[in-house]
Amino acid sequence: DAGVTQSPTHLIKTRGQQVTLRCSPKSGHDTVSWYQQALGQGPQFIFQYYEEEERQRGNFPDRFSGHQFPNYSSELNVNALLLGDSALYLCASSARGEGYGYTFGSGTRLTVV
Amino acid sequence: AQSVTQPDIHITVSEGASLELRCNYSYGATPYLFWYVQSPGQGLQLLLKYFSGDTLVQGIKGFEAEFKRSQSSFNLRKPSVHWSDAAEYFCAVGSYGGATNKLIFGTGTLLAVQP
Repeated sequence: DAGVTQSPTHLIKTRGQQVTLRCSPKSGHDTVSWYQQALGQGPQFIFQYYEEEERQRGNFPDRFSGHQFPNYSSELNVNALLLGDSALYLCASSARGEGYGYTFGSGTRLTVV
Repeated sequence: AQSVTQPDIHITVSEGASLELRCNYSYGATPYLFWYVQSPGQGLQLLLKYFSGDTLVQGIKGFEAEFKRSQSSFNLRKPSVHWSDAAEYFCAVGSYGGATNKLIFGTGTLLAVQP
């Protein structure tokens, strides 16, 4: 049974560009959360999606947006990239009603140059 | 505001020695508490969690943690460390807001294991 799948695993972008990261949740999960983990820091909550809508958002600017598809997969989009956006982006899936039963993916390492 | 503090950035222990990683939290209600482990280049793996009940919780890989409400702590312990335990460890508190929940993480403790 596949867990959470994220793509790509690594990415290098230039300042000002836009990037899209993808996440396929674990089978049976319908909720996707995104976290940003800067070097030497703990993960920080970006937002959570279920039923194809953003349900809660952390302290991130509007440059960060997302989408959830009918098959529960999700995308994270970041516009106008800044050097400070360089981080490991983690996707976590869970099942509604099961509280904090998160499964994390291995992440996408984004480097902005 | 909810927060998690892990006072030790980096800890080195000898293989076979005991381990305790500290975690303090700030949360207004009864907290949901977690410990995760992250190996290099990997995502987060749940070691254990506390929701309610017995304050000593057992997890995977021989880890345990004790919830102490009076000290706002949830320290992680292991009686005998193995070289494969070298990794970064994150304590987290579950924060429920509206109809969703999220995790608030500490900054992590990097564990090195000496042979």
